[in-house]
This record gives sequence, C-alpha cells and structure tokens, in this order.
Amino acid sequence: QKEVEQNSGPLSVPEGAIASLNCTYSDRGSQSFFWYRQYSGKSPELIMFIYSNGDKEDGRFTAQLNKASQYVSLLIRDSQPSDSATYLCAVMEGYNFNKFYFGSGTKLNVKP
Amino acid sequence: SAVISQKPSRDICQRGTSLTIQCQVDSQVTMMFWYRQQPGQSLTLIATANQGSEATYESGFVIDKFPISRPNLTFSTLTVSNMSPEDSSIYLCSVAGRLADTDTQYFGPGTRLTVL
Repeated sequence: QKEVEQNSGPLSVPEGAIASLNCTYSDRGSQSFFWYRQYSGKSPELIMFIYSNGDKEDGRFTAQLNKASQYVSLLIRDSQPSDSATYLCAVMEGYNFNKFYFGSGTKLNVKP
Repeated sequence: SAVISQKPSRDICQRGTSLTIQCQVDSQVTMMFWYRQQPGQSLTLIATANQGSEATYESGFVIDKFPISRPNLTFSTLTVSNMSPEDSSIYLCSVAGRLADTDTQYFGPGTRLTVL
C-alpha cells in the first residue's frame, strides 16, 4: 500500500506569517503531486500541482518538491484567517491518472 | 477547470433503502472516480468509473453494495445499496486527466448522506 503522510495538526500560525505544510510519500516512482484545500463541510479544492523538482509559485502559495527525499511541501505566505482549512496532499501513481493517494490532511488555523 | 455537479447535494435515508448519486461534468473526461469521506477523515477511494465497462473497485468495496454506471465520458452514477448507518458519509465524484490544458484532478461538491 502506497502511503502519503501528513501531520494532522492543527498547525496554528498568526495572521501574516508563513504557514508551512509538509507531506512525505512512499512510492519513489510517483511523478505528480497535488495540494487541496478543504473547508469544513465542503469538497476539496485544488490549490496547486507540481511535477518537477524545485519550487512552483502561484500568488501566496509555493509548492516545493524534493523527489530524492520524497517530500512535497506547501508554503502559504501572508497567511489569512480565510486560509484556515484542512490541506490535503495527493500523489498520483504513474502518468495515466489511474489512481491518486491522499494524505489524511493537515488542519491549519490562522489566528487574527 | 472542469465544472462538476452532483445530485442530490444531501439526503436523509432509511436503513435498508438505496440511493443513487449522479455526477455530471461539463466536458469529456477520461477518468472519473468515486470517493467517500467520513467525518473528520481523509478521502477513501471507492472505485474508478470506467466508460463502457465495469467499474474498478478498491479493496473493501464491492459492486453489489456500490454499483456504478458510466454510460459516457461526462456522466456517472453511484448507488449506495441496502444502506446502514455506517454508510453515512460524504460521497464525492472526481475527474482527472487533461483538463483545460492541465493534467490534474478536480472534485465535485459532494453528496452528504445520512442513514437513519
């Protein structure tokens, strides 16, 4: 069973700070990685995806991928109370969208 | 991105009955999946809905309990059969593939099911 591990949290950060969310995965052959945000009672919303080693930035969000160490992280700059949610890491098996493995999610609380 | 709709958005059902959940996508997609998410838990994949053939079920899920149809590339249904309170959950449809020139996966809004 391929595993995707996340710290369940909650991770608490003050408003305006950088929130750092981490995810490790067991399948060294994984190629594509996704971060989802899920508000309570809502479905997961795609924030970012990353395929290549290094950083990918989109607004206040930066995804970082290190395939050698098998981890992917999400940085949220200038955190806002509206960022308070559960963040799910997902890893796609192979290249054909046949299967995704999800972590259990990290709950983020941004305190005003 | 793909626009995904699910019906119903929520339902309350009696033990022993069945509920069929519909998932409609606004564009043709290769892969469609059905997930379950119980309160406070992460996502559990039920099955992959295959167009024109039987769904591929994950360990712990069987066709008799969760029959799935996928008659075309934009529509799928999941039936939760002979329901028990343990089936109370959020059921999510998702699509994956090349969508708007991006390889990714999106989720529908979910169906919140309560079984009494």
